[in-house]
Amino acid sequence: DAGVIQSPRHEVTEMGQEVTLRCKPISGHNSLFWYRQTMMRGLELLIYFNNNVPIDDSGMPEDRFSAKMPNASFSTLKIQPSEPRDSAVYFCASSPGTGVGANVLTFGAGSRLTVL
Amino acid sequence: SQQGEEDPQALSIQEGENATMNCSYKTSINNLQWYRQNSGRGLVHLILIRSNEREKHSGRLRVTLDTSKKSSSLLITASRAADTASYFCATDASGGYNKLIFGAGTRLAVHP
Repeated sequence: DAGVIQSPRHEVTEMGQEVTLRCKPISGHNSLFWYRQTMMRGLELLIYFNNNVPIDDSGMPEDRFSAKMPNASFSTLKIQPSEPRDSAVYFCASSPGTGVGANVLTFGAGSRLTVL
Repeated sequence: SQQGEEDPQALSIQEGENATMNCSYKTSINNLQWYRQNSGRGLVHLILIRSNEREKHSGRLRVTLDTSKKSSSLLITASRAADTASYFCATDASGGYNKLIFGAGTRLAVHP
């Protein structure tokens, strides 16, 4: 397996623009997580899915953020409209969800977002 | 809010020395995990310790868990320059969900 794949790796956009981050989890993993990492706030859990269903989105900062998981192999995190304070590295991670190592996360390489 | 808090925030040592990082958490857990993050990369899982375990080893890593004090430590023995990275503890919630909450991390610098 190629691991968790995220795109784009880097995104520079202007305030007010829509940003879409994409993630392909490891095949067979039932849980998918979106985290945001900044120097000030560390690694924050934004939302996670179990079997494509959003379980907990309490970490989503505001209505400008939305996430979807239309099938087991794809998820998106969308920010509309984007603001400079959204600048961060966004990580997608997946885990088996059941069995041994159910909540051991495999992270993608991250998407570094800069909003000007 | 963060569940785990690591200390120290930063640690600088020489190659060959041991590095110890500590993590404290607030609520009951099923397990506690440690991850490493190299600069500009995603986090990588190192080791998992269950709530009914007190100590676990993996290569040069030794993890302890004290559930009465809600704390864990990660010891890296005979450190190498390649161990330079940030180290994070992560805890789940014993309510049965799989989500992990990460601490702020310890930045480890190992000098040749």
